[in-house]
Amino acid sequence: AQKITQTQPGMFVQEKEAVTLDCTYDTSDQSYGLFWYKQPSSGEMIFLIYQGSYDEQNATEGRYSLNFQKARKSANLVISASQLGDSAMYFCAMREGGRTGRRALTFGSGTRLQVQP
Amino acid sequence: DTAVSQTPKYLVTQMGNDKSIKCEQNLGHDTMYWYKQDSKKFLKIMFSYNNKELIINETVPNRFSPKSPDKAHLNLHINSLELGDSAVYFCASSQETLRTPREETQYFGPGTRLLVL
Repeated sequence: AQKITQTQPGMFVQEKEAVTLDCTYDTSDQSYGLFWYKQPSSGEMIFLIYQGSYDEQNATEGRYSLNFQKARKSANLVISASQLGDSAMYFCAMREGGRTGRRALTFGSGTRLQVQP
Repeated sequence: DTAVSQTPKYLVTQMGNDKSIKCEQNLGHDTMYWYKQDSKKFLKIMFSYNNKELIINETVPNRFSPKSPDKAHLNLHINSLELGDSAVYFCASSQETLRTPREETQYFGPGTRLLVL
């Protein structure tokens, strides 16, 4: 079974509107972390936002917020006021518990977001 | 003052050759990783090192050999390159002996685009 599922291969959004990118995860660990990364066409991986499994509040970083619903095992990324520069591939990733050095990220398949003027 | 750097950025080579990719981080992190991103953009962990000790060695052909001369460097050597090795290879680092999970965020290098002809 896939540990991270991103069901939207591609999304379009109008500039200045908000968009939600979906992510569901599967783990039996109690302690885990959820991350979103952005990969623009230039190829680098840019860290956007983190949510810990024990965090009671949804994470926010500027225009990015994470809609964390633990019971549903979902961690959707919300981008408010989309900008043309937000056009990129977005990856959801999970870090499960485990001993030091074993906490590599498991990635979803990504969602390609295109912001239209 | 780049946090995680990789060299080279592009690598074009013939089948059967041996090549190395270098990675350096100046974040003082104790754990470093190699990920492979295939042509469909899927990212998967290959190796992780913690304090110069190999911790994760996923199902990777033994033609791939990581080497960590010190905590700040993790190099990837590939012998007898094959067409299927063409991919983008990302180095990442994180600090796993920490006070808060947030600080375990993995920061990625710019990637090395390997093309085997």
